[in-house]
Amino acid sequence: DTEVTQTPKHLVMGMTNKKSLKCEQHMGHRAMYWYKQKAKKPPELMFVYSYEKLSINESVPSRFSPECPNSSLLNLHLHALQPEDSALYLCASSQGANYGYTFGSGTRLTVV
Amino acid sequence: KNEVEQSPQNLTAQEGEFITINCSYSVGISALHWLQQHPGGGIVSLFMLSSGKKKHGRLIATINIQEKHSSLHITASHPRDSAVYICAVRRTNEKLTFGTGTRLTIIP
Repeated sequence: DTEVTQTPKHLVMGMTNKKSLKCEQHMGHRAMYWYKQKAKKPPELMFVYSYEKLSINESVPSRFSPECPNSSLLNLHLHALQPEDSALYLCASSQGANYGYTFGSGTRLTVV
Repeated sequence: KNEVEQSPQNLTAQEGEFITINCSYSVGISALHWLQQHPGGGIVSLFMLSSGKKKHGRLIATINIQEKHSSLHITASHPRDSAVYICAVRRTNEKLTFGTGTRLTIIP
C-alpha cells in the first residue's frame, strides 16, 4: 500500500458542529502532516507528528485539534469553525528528512 | 520577498512543446521537491532533489545548489500534463516552504 487515504473527501459543517477528518497510511512512515490550502494558494503547514508525537504546531487556532492514535492514523478534530476555515485539508506522510512526501487527495471542507 | 519564487506563474503551450518551469530559493535547504496538483486537489510528489538531475519518463528536474535554482522540464507535453506545478524546499526541520505554483495549460 503506497497511498495516504483521507476521509471524507467532502464535508459541509455548521459553525456549531463537531466533526473529524481522518488520514491513514500503511507505509510505515514515521512523520505525518496536516496542511490547509485555500483556493489558488500554496498549502500551509498546520501540524507535524513525528513518531506519534506532535512536533510542530504552526500557531493553529484551538478549534483545530490534531490527534495521532497510532503510527498509521492521524485525525483532525474540528469544533466551532468559522466560514473562513473553508479550505482543502491535505494530509501527507514521510519516512524522514531524506525522503519524499506522499500526499492524500484531501478533504474539501465547507463551513456554513 | 518569498523564500521560494517560481516562474512563470501561468504558462499556456501547445501539445508537444518543451516546457520549463523555474524555481529560485533564498535559504539553505536539505532538499527541493517538485509537486503536481490537479484540479480537485490531490498532490503528487514528482521529484525530490538535493543535487544534480533526475528523470522520470518525460519529466526532468535539475538543481544548482550554488545558484539556489531548480528547473522542471516536460518534454513532448500533453494535455494531461495540465496542472499546477509546485516547488517546495525543505530546510533542516520538518517544514516544507512552498512556492506559489505554476499553472500549466497544454492545448491540444
